[in-house]
Amino acid sequence: GQQVMQIPQYQHVQEGEDFTTYCNSSTTLSNIQWYKQRPGGHPVFLIQLVKSGEVKKQKRLTFQFGEAKKNSSLHITATQTTDVGTYFCAAPDKLIFGTGTRLQVFP
Amino acid sequence: GAVVSQHPSWVICKSGTSVKIECRSLDFQATTMFWYRQFPKQSLMLMATSNEGSKATYEQGVEKDKFLINHASLTLSTLTVTSAHPEDSSFYICSVLGGNDQPQHFGDGTRLSIL
Repeated sequence: GQQVMQIPQYQHVQEGEDFTTYCNSSTTLSNIQWYKQRPGGHPVFLIQLVKSGEVKKQKRLTFQFGEAKKNSSLHITATQTTDVGTYFCAAPDKLIFGTGTRLQVFP
Repeated sequence: GAVVSQHPSWVICKSGTSVKIECRSLDFQATTMFWYRQFPKQSLMLMATSNEGSKATYEQGVEKDKFLINHASLTLSTLTVTSAHPEDSSFYICSVLGGNDQPQHFGDGTRLSIL
């Protein structure tokens, strides 16, 4: 079946450092979604990417969708302690979640 | 405000008990809802797709007789964990499709602990 892998599994950074998580699908995707889950919480939708090569920004967050529509990345510039959580990419339509990257930010 | 209401938030019960979890769509009618399970420090795993007025579609490896899903109305889907055992302890989350090309809206989740 379809698999969605993310690397790294964990990332510890000092506040102010940048962070990137990479998402790779075993199949070509029509779109990809990104979610953030705080400890003890539920996933919260961040963004959806649809077009090949698409780049979208949300303040310090930059999302990219690969040209082949099989991979995606999320980059956070100058991390803050509020960025702590697990970031998941998810493939349609039933939302197959990636393995997730847990981000810890030290002040 | 919340789009999806999930109840209860947490349950602690004895082994052998059956537990029912409710998922309500508050803002719109939902013909499709999804049920996920998440073990500690792991990703969300899709268990089943709940279809209003018809049988749920279960993912491979999920026992349909163990996890009963009922979607009797356009705003309510229930997941019943029958004869729960400690290995069923997990975080169960439902979600609702937001419509064409819209993201899913998740409930707050139910933390189930079987003693």
